[in-house]
Amino acid sequence: EDQVTQSPEALRLQEGESSSLNCSYTVSGLRGLFWYRQDPGKGPEFLFTLYSAGEEKEKERLKATLTKKESFLHITAPKPEDSATYLCAVLRPGGSQGNLIFGKGTKLSVKP
Amino acid sequence: DVKVTQSSRYLVKRTGEKVFLECVQDMDHENMFWYRQDPGLGLRLIYFSYDVKMKEKGDIPEGYSVSREKKERFSLILESASTNQTSMYLCASSVFPTAKNIQYFGAGTRLSVL
Repeated sequence: EDQVTQSPEALRLQEGESSSLNCSYTVSGLRGLFWYRQDPGKGPEFLFTLYSAGEEKEKERLKATLTKKESFLHITAPKPEDSATYLCAVLRPGGSQGNLIFGKGTKLSVKP
Repeated sequence: DVKVTQSSRYLVKRTGEKVFLECVQDMDHENMFWYRQDPGLGLRLIYFSYDVKMKEKGDIPEGYSVSREKKERFSLILESASTNQTSMYLCASSVFPTAKNIQYFGAGTRLSVL
């Protein structure tokens, strides 16, 4: 069964304390992996797309990496405004319309 | 910037009512999606549409229907609302065909069925 599993479910960090969020997936023939950020009461906001193992993308304090079985979202020296739920998703195999399979997310809290 | 607009942020309905959730996108995207999001369950795909008047079932279509009469508008219909349909509903759109497949989301509609 195609699955996306995110860990941990929740993560509390002190401001400036770097860490990583994990997204492991079991799909045949990965065609794309996506990271989104979701603030409370809002829709997900696109962050990154990764397509092949070894690929990396960066945006401010965030860096996403991809291996053949998982992706990491590294957060360097986080600030309170980085607090949000981070969602990982993969393109559903076999489909052509861009359907995504989402993980359940990691809720990140960064305390000042 | 891509804009996906959902007609209501909050909605309260009674059991048995027919409910319409509307979504409009302004980027001429072919694909549109409806999800529901529940604590502990994540985002689950209800229906999607890849063209006007075309629709396909997602993972949890039971109790829902959709309508896409114009390219920019995708409606989710709860024929007879039930309390287990209380949830956050999210609409998204994306371009097709493209390798990027980035979905852009609306702000969501929080529906309470009493």
